[in-house]
Amino acid sequence: SQQGEEDPQALSIQEGENATMNCSYKTSINNLQWYRQNSGRGLVHLILIRSNEREKHSGRLRVTLDTSKKSSSLLITASRAADTASYFCATDAVGGGADGLTFGKGTHLIIQP
Amino acid sequence: SQTIHQWPATLVQPVGSPLSLECTVEGTSNPNLYWYRQAAGRGLQLLFYSVGIGQISSEVPQNLSASRPQDRQFILSSKKLLLSDSGFYLCAWSVNREKLFFGSGTQLSVL
Repeated sequence: SQQGEEDPQALSIQEGENATMNCSYKTSINNLQWYRQNSGRGLVHLILIRSNEREKHSGRLRVTLDTSKKSSSLLITASRAADTASYFCATDAVGGGADGLTFGKGTHLIIQP
Repeated sequence: SQTIHQWPATLVQPVGSPLSLECTVEGTSNPNLYWYRQAAGRGLQLLFYSVGIGQISSEVPQNLSASRPQDRQFILSSKKLLLSDSGFYLCAWSVNREKLFFGSGTQLSVL
């Protein structure tokens, strides 16, 4: 079953604006990761935040994690047309073994030039 | 540097035909290997994972099987494809679960 659920499912904004995507999950986690997928391509790892961290930055990306609410957000600042893609959160569940991450259904982000 | 190769990029197969998708990893040893499937507009569903040669774990009952004949080779197979096997198949590898590296995917259409 899906662990992470992204919200919204789709988001369309103007270039230069900030884009915020949210992810909710159900079980205790070791870390939460965000990935990006361009249409018809594989996923690319963007950023990881550990369960004991509350906020992390990488370039124009800002990720927050609230373990009490079991939620995370990904903020992309000063969006560019090239940011158009689908964004997925993935959780590494506590006690999950070697069986990989559990991915949400994704947010499809469209940046209008 | 590490790279992952997945082929073919697209595949159109008739119902009942066999399937073989191959994935190879370079630049790392003893990786964890994964096969995911992605339905249109959906998230990723883990199909199989492997922590070593000949060690395959299946996450969901299905018409597919996987094999790992060499340390850095992962193969997804089917003896007889079903319409429901259509989808986007992704191979991935990791050393730990803190970062997965994905191949470019195979779009499979079963007609």
